[in-house]
Amino acid sequence: AQSVTQLDSQVPVFEEAPVELRCNYSSSVSVYLFWYVQYPNQGLQLLLKYLSGSTLVKGINGFEAEFNKSQTSFHLRKPSVHISDTAEYFCAVSDQGDYKLSFGAGTTVTVRA
Amino acid sequence: NAGVTQTPKFQVLKTGQSMTLQCAQDMNHEYMSWYRQDPGMGLRLIHYSVGAGITDQGEVPNGYNVSRSTTEDFPLRLLSAAPSQTSVYFCASSRGAGVWNTEAFFGQGTRLTVV
Repeated sequence: AQSVTQLDSQVPVFEEAPVELRCNYSSSVSVYLFWYVQYPNQGLQLLLKYLSGSTLVKGINGFEAEFNKSQTSFHLRKPSVHISDTAEYFCAVSDQGDYKLSFGAGTTVTVRA
Repeated sequence: NAGVTQTPKFQVLKTGQSMTLQCAQDMNHEYMSWYRQDPGMGLRLIHYSVGAGITDQGEVPNGYNVSRSTTEDFPLRLLSAAPSQTSVYFCASSRGAGVWNTEAFFGQGTRLTVV
């Protein structure tokens, strides 16, 4: 099974500042990579995914992520955050051809005015 | 399009009681799964199913049972609730394996407290 490490549990950030959330995974086999967002008291919503092709992936709400195979990382970035980006963010990984997702512990982003 | 529907949204149980968390999807997805979410631990897979009549254990299956008699429904049963099962439970579905099928759609969650 995959092991997923989200390096920051809490990230406070001011409105309109950039943010980066770091994610590393364990496996060297081919993988699919995902970032999900969870707003307070809601389910998880897909932000973006890497399946193949370009290593820079763009998602919803201005987020993007870069897949780095040599470093087994999939870091999430947004150049300018809004108050509405306050949420918990989860990195998830599955082996290609497998159904199962392995999740990181989550990063709580708090955006302040 | 309802997506993935979980019921109930909230539940309080006494230790030793049993209950069933319901999950239904209307997207004709093959793959369904149950996760529990605990602070600082992310989501952990309890059980999953790759189609009607086929289920398997995930990372934390003890104390839970599942069945999949139809494509749409995937109930999770707590046989004898324990305080350690206090958690938020999420059901998810996806079309299946393969490069374009792996996006998981999640329900809104069931917040369970065992006292």
